Amino acid sequence: AQSVAQPEDQVNVAEGNPLTVKCTYSVSGNPYLFWYVQYPNRGLQFLLKYITGDNLVKGSYGFEAEFNKSQTSFHLKKPSALVSDSALYFCAVRVNTNAGKSTFGDGTTLTVKP
Amino acid sequence: DAGVIQSPRHEVTEMGQEVTLRCKPISGHDYLFWYRQTMMRGLELLIYFNNNVPIDDSGMPEDRFSAKMPNASFSTLKIQPSEPRDSAVYFCASSRDSYNSPLHFGNGTRLTVT
Repeated sequence: AQSVAQPEDQVNVAEGNPLTVKCTYSVSGNPYLFWYVQYPNRGLQFLLKYITGDNLVKGSYGFEAEFNKSQTSFHLKKPSALVSDSALYFCAVRVNTNAGKSTFGDGTTLTVKP
Repeated sequence: DAGVIQSPRHEVTEMGQEVTLRCKPISGHDYLFWYRQTMMRGLELLIYFNNNVPIDDSGMPEDRFSAKMPNASFSTLKIQPSEPRDSAVYFCASSRDSYNSPLHFGNGTRLTVT
């Protein structure tokens, strides 16, 4: 079985401050980890992914994520938040031992205040 | 690349009626997923296909729901008969035939059953 947990329903930060959205996962096998963003009335959009190699991956819009195998975490980060980053963020995992199934967390609403 | 195309964008129907949601995946993508999103239950995987073959339909709520993928460029999700609790946003997503590939989502169909 595979699962993803996003422990925070909501994250609030001030514009210009760093942000972190947390994600932990549980899988059997090697995980492929993803972050997606969803704006109102739109589908989810891919932000970044971790496959292998460097634990810090960079993605769209200045976002990055840090893979930590020992803590089974894949936290999303950005050094300086923008008001336009306010959205719903999803962490997801795929595993090469589960026929391509993609499992998503429950999502975290990020609100960046000016 | 036009992205994943879903139709209709909005559907309002009365309880007991048949509803058919349609999806055109990105050309060359071998995986197709159907998700349902509600405030209460978040993002739920209903069913997914690989090379037009259903792989896992364990998320389909009940026999009222059915999904088909007659060819690589078209899929349908049908609800018959529809009930008010089926009201949700239904997303279709597709990906390449690789576990390290992200999902590409359509903009969803907002279904309201009165």
